[in-house]
Amino acid sequence: GAGVSQSPRYKVAKRGQDVALRCDPISGHVSLFWYQQALGQGPEFLTYFQNEAQLDKSGLPSDRFFAERPEGSVSTLKIQRTQQEDSAVYLCASSLGGGAGNTIYFGEGSWLTVV
Amino acid sequence: GENVEQHPSTLSVQEGDSAVIKCTYSDSASNYFPWYKQELGKRPQLIIDIRSNVGEKKDQRIAVTLNKTAKHFSLHITETQPEDSAVYFCAARGTSYGKLTFGQGTILTVHP
Repeated sequence: GAGVSQSPRYKVAKRGQDVALRCDPISGHVSLFWYQQALGQGPEFLTYFQNEAQLDKSGLPSDRFFAERPEGSVSTLKIQRTQQEDSAVYLCASSLGGGAGNTIYFGEGSWLTVV
Repeated sequence: GENVEQHPSTLSVQEGDSAVIKCTYSDSASNYFPWYKQELGKRPQLIIDIRSNVGEKKDQRIAVTLNKTAKHFSLHITETQPEDSAVYFCAARGTSYGKLTFGQGTILTVHP
């Protein structure tokens, strides 16, 4: 596709509900990142994939957060038993290579509101 | 890990004036410093970046400067226009795979 695509764009979940957020990176991009952006804050790193391998998950806030990218393309971020503090925009980003010299492109984000 | 501080948090200027946003970083190994513009409800969009082997980079009305010794970098926007109004984020990258650490953001408002 032309850019990083995320779905759903908006999600309202009741506290305790599980949610799944999908990311379609730019075709051929090796690197994929998930970020969490709270209202009025900068994006905070959650996790990083190189192809299907999850090489860094140091930013995941708890074991309720899980991400996968089984075929090295589409990725899913899953949040179990959602809590109000999980309300945020979840941004997916991708870049062409695994090296540090590649521009990172962001999707529009999935807006999660937990009520 | 890397820590990025950004100032000011809000900036209000008159159309045609210049705007300057400053960031400091903590990890001396960081080697890439992008700036993103984010409009309300939109994705962060890269507007300019600079690598550690360069001290200054300019693209039309936008410029970025980097002082590696002091570990700070700045965004300069000249001849501001109302459409420049947005939230601006600086970021730093220090890992081999490209993870970015972001500043807290600056809300820029350009008054006509």
